[in-house]
Amino acid sequence: SQQGEEDPQALSIQEGENATMNCSYKTSINNLQWYRQNSGRGLVHLILIRSNEREKHSGRLRVTLDTSKKSSSLLITASRAADTASYFCATDSTTYNQGGKLIFGQGTELSVKP
Amino acid sequence: EAQVTQNPRYLITVTGKKLTVTCSQNMNHEYMSWYRQDPGLGLRQIYYSMNVEVTDKGDVPEGYKVSRKEKRNFPLILESPSPNQTSLYFCASSLTYLPLAGGGNEQFFGPGTRLTVL
Repeated sequence: SQQGEEDPQALSIQEGENATMNCSYKTSINNLQWYRQNSGRGLVHLILIRSNEREKHSGRLRVTLDTSKKSSSLLITASRAADTASYFCATDSTTYNQGGKLIFGQGTELSVKP
Repeated sequence: EAQVTQNPRYLITVTGKKLTVTCSQNMNHEYMSWYRQDPGLGLRQIYYSMNVEVTDKGDVPEGYKVSRKEKRNFPLILESPSPNQTSLYFCASSLTYLPLAGGGNEQFFGPGTRLTVL
């Protein structure tokens, strides 16, 4: 089964509102990453949080990581229509012997209405 | 500009006709990987390469081949395509294959190749 699972699968909000997406994973990790995908296009790396970090910010993005619960959240503040996309969490795993392998979750589809 | 390029972007072919999807990166990355993305199944890794002449199977390698003769190129070969290989394919690369907490394994994705096998 997937290492990372996002929740909710889909989220629809109004412009200006905040959007929160959650990710759960199963094994211990070195880092957790969030990616964005506009419809049918390649994924774009947004932010990386290390296993020893609890919170990280980048512009309007805020990521938290709780390794005891094996979960992470991505918060997009003051959302814009241009934030409409799918968002994926990805984890590497200290238990995998494939160095560099990332496991992607199923993604959260975010729709921001103007 | 640092990028991963894939060609072709769109391809419609018929069952059994061999095809190659090219992938090239200009960032001197060690690690390269191929994924397929299907509705409801997410992103699944087909093959990966940790460096030149080092390749290994991912989660769904059946029906695919790869090679890594040069650091920048990682072509995906379908020797005898079948309709169940109709999918959206992505090539990705990262600086290193090492599982470093500090990063270096962030992946850069190509624009995707939408393949239809009739």
